[in-house]
Amino acid sequence: TQLLEQSPQFLSIQEGENLTVYCNSSSVFSSLQWYRQEPGEGPVLLVTVVTGGEVKKLKRLTFQFGDARKDSSLHITAAQTGDTGLYLCADAGSSNTGKLIFGQGTTLQVKP
Amino acid sequence: SAVISQKPSRDICQRGTSLTIQCQVDSQVTMMFWYRQQPGQSLTLIATANQGSEATYESGFVIDKFPISRPNLTFSTLTVSNMSPEDSSIYLCSVRLLFRDTQYFGPGTRLTVL
Repeated sequence: TQLLEQSPQFLSIQEGENLTVYCNSSSVFSSLQWYRQEPGEGPVLLVTVVTGGEVKKLKRLTFQFGDARKDSSLHITAAQTGDTGLYLCADAGSSNTGKLIFGQGTTLQVKP
Repeated sequence: SAVISQKPSRDICQRGTSLTIQCQVDSQVTMMFWYRQQPGQSLTLIATANQGSEATYESGFVIDKFPISRPNLTFSTLTVSNMSPEDSSIYLCSVRLLFRDTQYFGPGTRLTVL
């Protein structure tokens, strides 16, 4: 059974600071997705990475996929209070099943 | 994209009772899933809801406890049966759209069992 570990589990920072969260898998990812979940809402997809070494940017968010496709990082530059939420990585697995295996999440709190 | 609604949004139930959660999607979807998110935890897949046939359950989840229906492409229900306090969680449905790899999640149903 694949295990996804995220670190840190909780992060509290001031607005304007930079941060990085990590996701490590016990086995190679089929494809990796990052989600953000705000209180009272379901997770929302931020990005999908498939190729080892891939880097994707979404405004102030930078996603990196490790060369061996077993780890990933999410870096946020100049965090804003609107970035507050639960960040989840997930293995999207085989496209035939559609199942997602989630990490335990990183709770980010950005204080004004 | 897809707009997914869930009913109820939250409920407080007594031990031993059952609750049925509805999930409605405004688009044609290929797959529908039900997840559970326990307080402060990540999401765990309960089952894949199959149209017109029995759902496919993940290890640790059984049909008697979590019966699921999916009578058409855009609607599904999850019942949490004979509830205990350990069933207190957020239950979310998610869908995959036709010809798309993206999954969309509903807002969740927050269940508290006393």
